[in-house]
Amino acid sequence: DSGVTQTPKHLITATGQRVTLRCSPRSGDLSVYWYQQSLDQGLQFLIQYYNGEERAKGNILERFSAQQFPDLHSELNLSSLELGDSALYFCASSVGGSGAYNEQFFGPGTRLTVL
Amino acid sequence: AQSVSQHNHHVILSEAASLELGCNYSYGGTVNLFWYVQYPGQHLQLLLKYFSGDPLVKGIKGFEAEFIKSKFSFNLRKPSVQWSDTAEYFCAVNPNNAGNMLTFGGGTRLMVKP
Repeated sequence: DSGVTQTPKHLITATGQRVTLRCSPRSGDLSVYWYQQSLDQGLQFLIQYYNGEERAKGNILERFSAQQFPDLHSELNLSSLELGDSALYFCASSVGGSGAYNEQFFGPGTRLTVL
Repeated sequence: AQSVSQHNHHVILSEAASLELGCNYSYGGTVNLFWYVQYPGQHLQLLLKYFSGDPLVKGIKGFEAEFIKSKFSFNLRKPSVQWSDTAEYFCAVNPNNAGNMLTFGGGTRLMVKP
């Protein structure tokens, strides 16, 4: 157990819908990262938040957005869902967010299936 | 484009066989290098990491990796695999000028036959 929790574990929805994935970082960690793992794209970095502010952006679609709340948990919002959005979405957390590398600890993931 | 390549997508070995998984990256500057493992149904776990110093790094569960700067490679090795090593293995790179972001390779699925 890494200490990073994600809910829900599984999510099944239809095309065009909107979902919210939730992540709680390890106690004391200020950074949260979101990754998408799909069969065709592999494991891709989406976005990073540090202490409530966006710190880095990767291959995140405009239909996707994220935020980090004052209690440091984060939510990833996926809208206008397409079949290709079906994937495993991982959250990771670290103590810091830049400068010397801070080890990331990964959560168990949320498996999203879009039908 | 900057990338991380893992050449073996699927590897099948018998127990006690030796393992080497290849990883190459295309970043020109200084990088931090990692190998992660994902056991079936579990989250990603860090196996080992290289930041600087001795290019041969030892990780958990008997794994080691060698950084060869001239070849832009960071291959993972284990002298004798066990059935419990069945998992997916990911190489990842953090360029020193890229904050805390990780770029992952495509992964290698290892199956160890008992």
